[in-house]
Amino acid sequence: EVQLVESGGGSVQPGGSLRLSCAAFGLSLTDEHMDWVRRVPGKGLEWIGRSRNKISSYTTEDAPSLKGRFTISRDESKNSVYLQMNSLKIEDTAVYYCARVSLEAGGQRNDYWGQGTLVTVSS
Amino acid sequence: DIQLTQSPSFLSASVGDRVTITCRANQGISTYLAWYQQKPGKAPKVLIYTASILENGAPSRFSGSGSGTEFTLTISSLQPEDFATYYCQQVHAYPITFGQGTRLEVK
Repeated sequence: EVQLVESGGGSVQPGGSLRLSCAAFGLSLTDEHMDWVRRVPGKGLEWIGRSRNKISSYTTEDAPSLKGRFTISRDESKNSVYLQMNSLKIEDTAVYYCARVSLEAGGQRNDYWGQGTLVTVSS
Repeated sequence: DIQLTQSPSFLSASVGDRVTITCRANQGISTYLAWYQQKPGKAPKVLIYTASILENGAPSRFSGSGSGTEFTLTISSLQPEDFATYYCQQVHAYPITFGQGTRLEVK
């Protein structure tokens, strides 16, 4: 059974930093593209970025709206992907999800998701 | 960025109703569109990808159609477990974007 488990959320002051982790079980992340997505309270889902698989040299894509404040990285030995968030703003308050990108059957979608981790940015 | 606009944003319906949600893109995205269902406190679940392909395990009462700039998600006969928020997502170009969501409530 595939499981994605996020951790690292919590409360932080504006301007602070936080690193979220996403550990995979039942899946080797070296073979997978992975996305980070957030759900902002009162709004909807927002795509944060993507880390491609090892064959694609773990290259990344980011949402331009975040202006380089967020960075995605990986640790093969821990079968994990990370989201480093810097210069946090109140509007970054959200539930953050990691999600596998499936390219099976010729289509692209996020088929496995973590349970989400809450980040609250407040003074 | 590609903007996706869903309509309606809120929808009241009853069990057994046929329901349609529309997603419009501000530029052509071929069939690079997926639909998700999200319930409070839970992660999104993919229902449809490539505009019309039913994800493995998704109930057959869900169907999708469209291409280019206009897409629809149809639930043929609403079940109690279908009351949730639905999102479309385009995967045609970066940044990937979502529609603002359609909240489906019990009438």
